[in-house]
Amino acid sequence: GAVVSQHPSWVICKSGTSVKIECRSLDFQATTMFWYRQFPKQSLMLMATSNEGSKATYEQGVEKDKFLINHASLTLSTLTVTSAHPEDSSFYICSARSTSNTEAFFGQGTRLTVV
Amino acid sequence: AQTVTQSQPEMSVQEAETVTLSCTYDTSESDYYLFWYKQPPSRQMILVIRQEAYKQQNATENRFSVNFQKAAKSFSLKISDSQLGDAAMYFCAYRSSWMNFGNEKLTFGTGTRLTIIP
Repeated sequence: GAVVSQHPSWVICKSGTSVKIECRSLDFQATTMFWYRQFPKQSLMLMATSNEGSKATYEQGVEKDKFLINHASLTLSTLTVTSAHPEDSSFYICSARSTSNTEAFFGQGTRLTVV
Repeated sequence: AQTVTQSQPEMSVQEAETVTLSCTYDTSESDYYLFWYKQPPSRQMILVIRQEAYKQQNATENRFSVNFQKAAKSFSLKISDSQLGDAAMYFCAYRSSWMNFGNEKLTFGTGTRLTIIP
């Protein structure tokens, strides 16, 4: 199956700093990437959808200036959490899909802790 | 908007027995995809099984099978011969079909935590 690599697996940052999370499709071209947030013992909540070369589409209630998404190539998308605060601490998961795939493939997730 | 409902927050089953996880959904679309994903403690989302709405035949993947009732908008997952490694959170998910470009996101249910009793 297709492989999606997410990095880092976990990160701790100080309040007020920014942190970048990378999502790479290793063996296919990801025309669409999705970023999710998952709180403990809860489901995945879609934050935004990004298509290569265009601006991301954010879900209602997600601050686009706080969660910057870049999808500059067919194999890489990044999520930058700017001016992080403790309430941004969460598990972030990306998934990627090509036009030839019915399903999206998931990265292993990133646990962000803001102290 | 589509919604996915999983009414069983937790389920448990004896090892080697069979368990069925329930999922219902609401949509006005006629063509779509349904998925079951497994999220073990590692939190890696793993695709278990997929069903295309236009296919009447229920999907099967080894010990995993679904009961897809399109009219009832029901999509249950049956796990046969349960194994310890099946312990995980299971999410039901919905996705619009290829023809609905721009609406390709997955809508997830709230999940069912499955415990396997040795």
